[in-house]
Amino acid sequence: EVQLVESGGGLVKPGGSLRLSCAASGFTFTDYSMDWVRQAPGKGLEWVASISTSSTLISYADSVKGRFTISRDNARDSLYLQMNSLRTDDTAVYYCARETAVTLDSWGQGTLVAVSS
Amino acid sequence: QSALTQPRSVSGSPGQSVTISCTGTSSDVGSYKLVSWYQQHPGRAPRLMIFDVSARPSGVPDRFSGSKSGNTASLTISGLQAEDEADYYCCSYAGSYNWVFGGGTKLTVL
Repeated sequence: EVQLVESGGGLVKPGGSLRLSCAASGFTFTDYSMDWVRQAPGKGLEWVASISTSSTLISYADSVKGRFTISRDNARDSLYLQMNSLRTDDTAVYYCARETAVTLDSWGQGTLVAVSS
Repeated sequence: QSALTQPRSVSGSPGQSVTISCTGTSSDVGSYKLVSWYQQHPGRAPRLMIFDVSARPSGVPDRFSGSKSGNTASLTISGLQAEDEADYYCCSYAGSYNWVFGGGTKLTVL
């Protein structure tokens, strides 16, 4: 069974930093690209970033480019999101998702990031 | 990276059919067969219901179907059931390893 478990969320002040982690199990992690998707309270889903199997292809939404860094450790079956210069509009539940050739097919339960002074 | 356009809400009675539209552009929905639909109940993670415009993952009832014409994709739910009440999101590949989501549609089963 595919399992994705996010961690690292919490309360942070504007301008601060946070690092999210996603532990993967139940599938061969190195076979899949991985993504982060977020959802602000009461709002819709927003794609954040994507990383290929060997980290050679990385892309970001314009809203986080230059502030967020996606990475992965294939030896640890883990995905990360380093978030710097956080703003109040980054407040959201952050989901990690497995990417197949055609879709984001499996999602974690999410971790809440709250940016507030 | 503009969001795809979905109606904010739709409704139907048990047993009826409803269709949710998802309008993009020639740079996303119109260019790729990579359109997916997700169901999300309150407080839960999204669940994949349709991928590749019209394919269903195992375990998804055949009451759920998808289609696409030009820049607009659609999700149809037939034989509505109470448990179908949820938020539904479309998603399309947008090129350059980017994905774009719709704003979401709240389905109410009357």
